[in-house]
Amino acid sequence: DAGVTQSPTHLIKTRGQQVTLRCSPKSGHDTVSWYQQALGQGPQFIFQYYEEEERQRGNFPDRFSGHQFPNYSSELNVNALLLGDSALYLCASSLSRDGNTEAFFGQGTRLTVV
Amino acid sequence: AQKITQTQPGMFVQEKEAVTLDCTYDTSDPSYGLFWYKQPSSGEMIFLIYQGSYDQQNATEGRYSLNFQKARKSANLVISASQLGDSAMYFCAMREGPGGYQKVTFGTGTKLQVIP
Repeated sequence: DAGVTQSPTHLIKTRGQQVTLRCSPKSGHDTVSWYQQALGQGPQFIFQYYEEEERQRGNFPDRFSGHQFPNYSSELNVNALLLGDSALYLCASSLSRDGNTEAFFGQGTRLTVV
Repeated sequence: AQKITQTQPGMFVQEKEAVTLDCTYDTSDPSYGLFWYKQPSSGEMIFLIYQGSYDQQNATEGRYSLNFQKARKSANLVISASQLGDSAMYFCAMREGPGGYQKVTFGTGTKLQVIP
């Protein structure tokens, strides 16, 4: 049973560019959440997707957008990249029916903006 | 105000000893959940234990137990019989709200180092 998989694992982008990160949830999970973890910090909640809709959003600008597909996989898009967007981006999946009591994380995508 | 507070940036523990990692939280939502995660240097966030706000008993998972004191708004993680492989960052997190409408907040983490 595959866990949460994220791609790519590492990415280098130039300031001003756009980036798309991908996440496949654990089999059977229907909820996907995205987090940004800056170096030495705890993860910061970006948003959560359930039934292809954004259900909750953290304190992130509109440059951060996402999508969830019918197979529950998800994408995180960041436009007009800033140097401060450099971070580890984590995806977590859970099962809404179980109250999301256990969330599984992927290995993350390390984004470097130069 | 911080939603999740972890006051111990770093902790040391002798191998085979027990250690307690502190976590306090702040919420006015009656329905919430508390999580502990382990993050090794590889970066992956590993789920350890969960406690729901309505759970009557403290959660336990193997060597991990959560000391849930609702009135004090604390959710400390206790690791018994520490192992060298327990050396990692540990994060406390809180989910607020029921069902699919949830937002999760993480603390700043505690770096645990197990000494042989």
